[in-house]
Formats: sequence, C-alpha cells, structure tokens
Amino acid sequence: AQSVTQLDSQVPVFEEAPVELRCNYSSSVSVYLFWYVQYPNQGLQLLLKYLSGSTLVKGINGFEAEFNKSQTSFHLRKPSVHISDTAEYFCAVSELSRGTSYGKLTFGQGTILTVHP
Amino acid sequence: GAVVSQHPSRVICKSGTSVKIECRSLDFQATTMFWYRQFPKQSLMLMATSNEGSKATYEQGVEKDKFLINHASLTLSTLTVTSAHPEDSSFYICSAVSNVGSPLHFGNGTRLTVT
Repeated sequence: AQSVTQLDSQVPVFEEAPVELRCNYSSSVSVYLFWYVQYPNQGLQLLLKYLSGSTLVKGINGFEAEFNKSQTSFHLRKPSVHISDTAEYFCAVSELSRGTSYGKLTFGQGTILTVHP
Repeated sequence: GAVVSQHPSRVICKSGTSVKIECRSLDFQATTMFWYRQFPKQSLMLMATSNEGSKATYEQGVEKDKFLINHASLTLSTLTVTSAHPEDSSFYICSAVSNVGSPLHFGNGTRLTVT
C-alpha cells in the first residue's frame, strides 16, 4: 500500500512571492504522481502529473514539480503566485503495478495555499 | 476537453431518506468511474471503483449496502446513499476514465447534508 504526506496543512504567502508545497510519498512499487487543485465546493483540476521521463514536470497556471526518487518527494513550486492561486492543493499517487488507469488514487491531506495582496 | 458532470451539486435530506448522485461523462465513454468522499478539512478517500456492466469494487470499510453504485452505461454511474444519517454528510466526488492509461476527469462534486 502507498501513502502520501503533505507536510504543510496551510501555506500563507504574499502575491508575487515564490511558493513550494511539499509532498512525500511511500510505496513498495513504482508510482505515478499527481498534483490537483480544488477551489471551494468544486471538484479537482489536474495541475500536472509525472508518469516517466524528465523529473521536472511543468503544468498549468505556471506550476511545476520535481520528482525525486531518492527522497520520494514530488514538491510543487511556482516562482510567482497570484491571488487567484488561493485554493487547496492535493498531491496524489497511483501505483504502476495496478495496470489500470490512474483513477485509483491515494491522496495527501491537502495544503491550503492562501495568497495575500 | 473531456467533461464529467455531477448532479446535484448540493442536496439536503432528512435522516433516513435515500439520496442519488449522478455522474455523467459528457463527451467520452467512461469504462471506469471512481467515487470519492471528502470530509471537512480532510483529504479525499476512495470509496469504490465502478466498471460499466459489472459490480462495483468497494474499498475496505465502505458499506456496499449503504452506498449503492450502479454503472449501467458507459456514460453514467450513480451513487445512492441509502438511509442517510448525519454522519454521511460529506462532499462526494466522482471521476471517470475512458480506458487504461488515459487521463482522469473529476466531476465538481456533491455536497450532501443530512439533517
């Protein structure tokens, strides 16, 4: 079984500042890795995913994440945040061994990013 | 892009009644749909995996008789919360995928409040 830990439950930051949301995972097999964003009372929107290849993944809205296998981490970063980035962010993993789609996800606890003017 | 529609977005019901939530894939055929539950200030927990035309596979600890899942067509899956109780109040989100290796698409969720 796999698990996902998001180290910060809340991250306040000022507009135009850089931000990093941390995510660590554990799994006995190789995994796919995802970051999702959730706005209030809405579903989830995929920001980016790592399946294979380059460990630096670029996503939507200027976000990027780097897969570090040795540290089992997949931290999300953005060099300059906007007020509109205020939302909750979830890191998730899906085991490669399942042989099915990426739908059976294990989510982290979520990080609430609040961008202040 | 692919869209998953979930209905209703909000529902309030009385304790003991049943509530049906629909999840539709609007522009693709969803061979597999997933149902998640999110309690306040917590993460999403997978409840069950639903494949078209077969019985759903429930995660450990999820009561299959309480959370009835039907995936009768390639574009529709329903979750029925039977004999709802206040502790069932939660945010329920479905997701759908067309086939192995294809992207996952989430609905906008249903906020269920049981009074």
